[in-house]
Amino acid sequence: AQKITQTQPGMFVQEKEAVTLDCTYDTSDPSYGLFWYKQPSSGEMIFLIYQGSYDQQNATEGRYSLNFQKARKSANLVISASQLGDSAMYFCAMREDVNTGRRALTFGSGTRLQVQP
Amino acid sequence: NAGVMQNPRHLVRRRGQEARLRCSPVKGHSHVYWYRQLPEEGLKFMVYLQKENIIDESGMPKERFSAEFPKEGPSILRIQQVVRGDSAAYFCASSQGPGNTIYFGEGSWLTVV
Repeated sequence: AQKITQTQPGMFVQEKEAVTLDCTYDTSDPSYGLFWYKQPSSGEMIFLIYQGSYDQQNATEGRYSLNFQKARKSANLVISASQLGDSAMYFCAMREDVNTGRRALTFGSGTRLQVQP
Repeated sequence: NAGVMQNPRHLVRRRGQEARLRCSPVKGHSHVYWYRQLPEEGLKFMVYLQKENIIDESGMPKERFSAEFPKEGPSILRIQQVVRGDSAAYFCASSQGPGNTIYFGEGSWLTVV
């Protein structure tokens, strides 16, 4: 079974509008962390936002927010007021803290976001 | 980029040659991870190291690949006798501790011709 599922291979959004990128995860670990990374065409991986499984509130970082629904095992990324520079691949990732013990991240297949003027 | 330095950024090797990729973690970080990304795919975990120790190499191919993180100096990912299928982007990441945020370098793109 896929640990991290991103069902949207590609998304389009108009500049200045909000967009939601979906991510669902699968784990039996009671303690885990969820991450979103942005990969622009230049290739680097840029950390955006983190949500811990025990965090009571949804994480926010500037125009990024994470819609964390623990019971549904979803961790969608919301980008508000899209900008042309937001065009990139976006990856959701999970770290399982207890059962695996390895602390490494498992990545989804990514969503390519294109912001249109 | 939170300070993880990778070099070279681009490397071309002929089949059968060796490739060495270097990674200097963020200052103060003692945990290093290597990932591989094939075109149009997500990153796949390869190996997790702390200083002088391999913690988890469950994602490493059994042959030709090795990694080290010595007490002094950068972490090295070594690929011997490269084949075309090794062509990929190799990302290094580091964290301060096992439960901390993981920051990535800019990647090293290996092309095998």
